[in-house]
Amino acid sequence: DTAVSQTPKYLVTQMGNDKSIKCEQNLGHDTMYWYKQDSKKFLKIMFSYNNKELIINETVPNRFSPKSPDKAHLNLHINSLELGDSAVYFCASSDRGHQPQHFGDGTRLSIL
Amino acid sequence: ELKVEQNPLFLSMQEEKNYTIYCNYSTTSDRLYWYRQDPGKSLESLFVLLSNGAVKQEGRLMASLDTKARLSTLHITAAVHDLSATYFCAVGEGSYQLTFGKGTKLSVIP
Repeated sequence: DTAVSQTPKYLVTQMGNDKSIKCEQNLGHDTMYWYKQDSKKFLKIMFSYNNKELIINETVPNRFSPKSPDKAHLNLHINSLELGDSAVYFCASSDRGHQPQHFGDGTRLSIL
Repeated sequence: ELKVEQNPLFLSMQEEKNYTIYCNYSTTSDRLYWYRQDPGKSLESLFVLLSNGAVKQEGRLMASLDTKARLSTLHITAAVHDLSATYFCAVGEGSYQLTFGKGTKLSVIP
C-alpha cells in the first residue's frame, strides 16, 4: 500500500534516447510534483499539477514534458536525453493547505 | 525570489552531544517543513511549523520557528548513530511551491 510510487526505480540509458517515468499516488491528494535532485543532493521543483492542471513550470528544458491523465497520476517524459539529465527524480503529492508533501522513492536516471 | 539557506552543510556529531542546524529564508512564508533523507532513500517529513514561536519535538529532535527573524532551528539532543542522515528545511511559497535548502549532512561518530 505504497503512498507515492514511481517506476522505474533505476533507468540507465544512452544519450539521445527518450524515456518516461511514471508516478502514482493513492493518498487522494489533488496536487502532484516532480523534483530533480542533483549529485550534490540539491532538490529543485520542476513541475506541479493540481487536479490535472499545470500550476508550476520552472525553468526546465522543453525536452521535459509532464503529463497528468488524472489527479492520481503524473508522468514525466524526457526527449533526447543529455548527460546533464543524470540525477534522481522524485515525485511527490500533497493536499491543499499546510500538510507536508509526500515523496516517492525516486528514480535514479543515469545517462551513458 | 525566495532563498533558503541552511548551515552548516556538513556536521560531524559526537554521540551524546547536542547540536543545532539553522535554516534562514529570505521572504515571508506561512509554513516551514523539515525533512530527513537517508542515503539512497526518499524524503521523510519530520515537522511542519506554521506559526511564529511554533515548537515541535519528536524524540531527540526539536524544531522551532521564528517568523520575524525568518529562522528555523533543528536541535539535536544527545546525538545517536541512527540520526545520521541529510536534513532539509523547506519553505512554502504561494499555495503549492516549496523551496528547499541545500541540506545538512549529519554524521554521528562514536
